[in-house]
Amino acid sequence: ETGVTQSPTHLIKTRGQQVTLRCSSQSGHNTVSWYQQALGQGPQFIFQYYREEENGRGNFPPRFSGLQFPNYSSELNVNALELDDSALYLCASSSGTERAYGYTFGSGTRLTVV
Amino acid sequence: DQQVKQNSPSLSVQEGRISILNCDYTNSMFDYFLWYKKYPAEGPTFLISISSIKDKNEDGRFTVFLNKSAKHLSLHIVPSQPGDSAVYFCAASATGTASKLTFGTGTRLQVTL
Repeated sequence: ETGVTQSPTHLIKTRGQQVTLRCSSQSGHNTVSWYQQALGQGPQFIFQYYREEENGRGNFPPRFSGLQFPNYSSELNVNALELDDSALYLCASSSGTERAYGYTFGSGTRLTVV
Repeated sequence: DQQVKQNSPSLSVQEGRISILNCDYTNSMFDYFLWYKKYPAEGPTFLISISSIKDKNEDGRFTVFLNKSAKHLSLHIVPSQPGDSAVYFCAASATGTASKLTFGTGTRLQVTL
């Protein structure tokens, strides 16, 4: 098992810019979810991908988009960055769309928008 | 609206004693509950879970209790150890929602010597 790896670990962007965050799922996992954790808050569900298709979305605007690739790695793209997008972005993978007890989280990407 | 609430931002417990972390929820559709532990600079790590058809689940030093009528769950850690010092998140999910987890805001547990 290699676990879930995310890159980069830290990132600083300017308001209005676009950003791409990357996630490499744990070996054998075909489902990936992305969460946003603002300071002092719990993680909030952005969306989930299963076999390269979006399979559920939280209360986030369309400027948050994602991709899952055939090797089950994933990207989170955020366009037109706003100051409130500053947060820790967590990627989590599992081996299916079963209950989330099997989710393995990465260490996250800390995004700062200035 | 905060559907999962952890009203205690922090808790301090002596080593060897019991730690009790509480969580309340408002959404009646939630039928699966989880606890995650998070150390600084690491992602959340799954600790223990419980289905709504049970009222208790135990795993070693960790026990989760669910009171559906009160929409309340608690995590008991006995005995508490210094390595348990971390932020604990309560999370919930509902069947048919793509395993979306709804998290609470977390409780920081400090286990002192």
